[in-house]
Amino acid sequence: EVQLVESGGGLVQPGGSLRLSCAASGFTVSSNYMSWVRQAPGKGLEWVSVIYSGGSTYYADSVKGRFTISRDNSKNTLYLQMNSLRAEDTAVYYCAKETWYSGSSRAFDIWGQGTMVTVSS
Amino acid sequence: SSELTQDPAVSVALGQTVRITCQGDSLRSYYASWYQQKPGQAPVLVIYGKNNRPSGIPDRFSGSSSGNTASLTITGAQAEDEADYYCNSRDSSGNPYVFGTGTKVTVL
Repeated sequence: EVQLVESGGGLVQPGGSLRLSCAASGFTVSSNYMSWVRQAPGKGLEWVSVIYSGGSTYYADSVKGRFTISRDNSKNTLYLQMNSLRAEDTAVYYCAKETWYSGSSRAFDIWGQGTMVTVSS
Repeated sequence: SSELTQDPAVSVALGQTVRITCQGDSLRSYYASWYQQKPGQAPVLVIYGKNNRPSGIPDRFSGSSSGNTASLTITGAQAEDEADYYCNSRDSSGNPYVFGTGTKVTVL
């Protein structure tokens, strides 16, 4: 079964750090484009970061310089290292697998269940 | 970076048809994908590309696109279709991806 399972969320003080994990099964993380998407309480979806199959990484302006996306091919797991956390980073964080169907058609076809990150003193 | 704009909320009578729209410059270059999200659950892909449904998505869901606007149509809405719906596309400027602002669909 194709599945993503996130872990690592929790309560952290402003300025603190947290590392999220996303364990994949049924497919190979390193062969796919993998993203982190977050959703603040009562708000919409916000794309956070992506790592391409070739290893290139990109970040939303709101997290650039503070968050780092990576993967461990031996564990088939995606990570998000979050540093210098702020109250506005409070959200449910989802990992998502992307599939490209054609040159102009793609989608996040598999999502994890999400992990809650709360930044508060 | 680009934005994708959706109406905040729409309502539809049980069994009737509702169309949700998504507007943004990036849609001139890329197809939108559409996601259904129910309270406390992860988003689920319902439409991708020109008008494609993943396995398991009912055929009452359909998509279309014209210019800078993508649409998701639910034909014969059911009670279980009550949810938030988000569009998403690649972004041709700024961030690689952008999500729409979301539309809450209420089935009356």
